[in-house]
Amino acid sequence: GNSVTQMEGPVTLSEEAFLTINCTYTATGYPSLFWYVQYPGEGLQLLLKATKADDKGSNKGFEATYRKETTSFHLEKGSVQVSDSAVYFCALGDTGNQFYFGTGTSLTVIP
Amino acid sequence: DSGVTQTPKHLITATGQRVTLRCSPRSGDLSVYWYQQSLDQGLQFLIQYYNGEERAKGNILERFSAQQFPDLHSELNLSSLELGDSALYFCASSAGQTDQETQYFGPGTRLLVL
Repeated sequence: GNSVTQMEGPVTLSEEAFLTINCTYTATGYPSLFWYVQYPGEGLQLLLKATKADDKGSNKGFEATYRKETTSFHLEKGSVQVSDSAVYFCALGDTGNQFYFGTGTSLTVIP
Repeated sequence: DSGVTQTPKHLITATGQRVTLRCSPRSGDLSVYWYQQSLDQGLQFLIQYYNGEERAKGNILERFSAQQFPDLHSELNLSSLELGDSALYFCASSAGQTDQETQYFGPGTRLLVL
């Protein structure tokens, strides 16, 4: 069946460090892939998405590329800020409209 | 602010009871999704409605039911509550019904079953 596996946290980085959060998926067909972010006490917000292979989603300095050959959608940011501290979720939407979320990766950025 | 509202924010109840969670989607959105977020299970997709009709079903227990009304608001009913139902319940909405849609999440309802 469909599933999403994402990197275990928590992750702690210094400000301006490079961030990678790994996400791999298992799916039949051609799913859409998403990264959502959850700030403390809030609901999830879409960070970026990609709807087909080789698409690159980007927003607020974050990027992720839909890699069909490696079934991956890794999240990257070149220089993190304290305000990026949050929980990040990788998600998959399949053609049957089922949605699958990873377990979330907690990121803390220290000044 | 996503534009999705959920009430109540917090709910404390006892085992065996029944509760109703309410969600109002963003203006113009036709799809509503319900999710359960717990520490041990992560974020689980429960069910989706589109324009009043059930569109997709995830890991929703038989004790749980949902509906979407003509004004597009949705309610999630949880009955015969168990301790393990304690969780954060999120509603999300989107404009359309496909898997490519961006979902906008509400702030959640925190349910505590004692």
